[in-house]
Amino acid sequence: GAGVSQSPSNKVTEKGKDVELRCDPISGHTALYWYRQSLGQGLEFLIYFQGNSAPDKSGLPSDRFSAERTGGSVSTLTIQRTQQEDSAVYLCASSLFLGQPQHFGDGTRLSIL
Amino acid sequence: ELKVEQNPLFLSMQEGKNYTIYCNYSTTSDRLYWYRQDPGKSLESLFVLLSNGAVKQEGRLMASLDTKARLSTLHITAAVHDLSATYFCAVVDQAGTALIFGKGTTLSVSS
Repeated sequence: GAGVSQSPSNKVTEKGKDVELRCDPISGHTALYWYRQSLGQGLEFLIYFQGNSAPDKSGLPSDRFSAERTGGSVSTLTIQRTQQEDSAVYLCASSLFLGQPQHFGDGTRLSIL
Repeated sequence: ELKVEQNPLFLSMQEGKNYTIYCNYSTTSDRLYWYRQDPGKSLESLFVLLSNGAVKQEGRLMASLDTKARLSTLHITAAVHDLSATYFCAVVDQAGTALIFGKGTTLSVSS
């Protein structure tokens, strides 16, 4: 696609539910990144993929968070048993290769009630 | 651990005047980015600075990088209302993968 596409754009869910956020990177981009933006913490890096591989998961806030990427394209970020502190905007970015300039999607605004 | 600090965090500007935002980072990095974010929108890339002494300009915005001082500045010339937004600097981590962001500077331009 022309840009990084994220869905849904907004998600409201009850505490304790699981949520899945989707990112469709720019066509041909091999690297994909997830970030979280919240009032208290600012913009935080979560995880990156080179192809389908995520070599370093240490940026994920807890073991309730997981991410995968299939076919070197679409990625999903899954949050299990959501908590109120998970409320944030989750941003996805992609780049042609790892370390190249990152292009950001519009984000998914997640609200946990 | 790489840390990025911006100041000021808030800047109330008068139209027509000049201002500077500062971005300091704690360890060596080979790339620094400036992004703009409008309320409810995503991050728009403004500049990427790659080397010591790099200077880039676009319209009323000029960014520079001093790698020895680990400092980048974003200079605003003759502020106009359209520049009201939040500006972030971000530095690539030592692994060359993640962007480490400052907390952002929210600019508000009034006439």
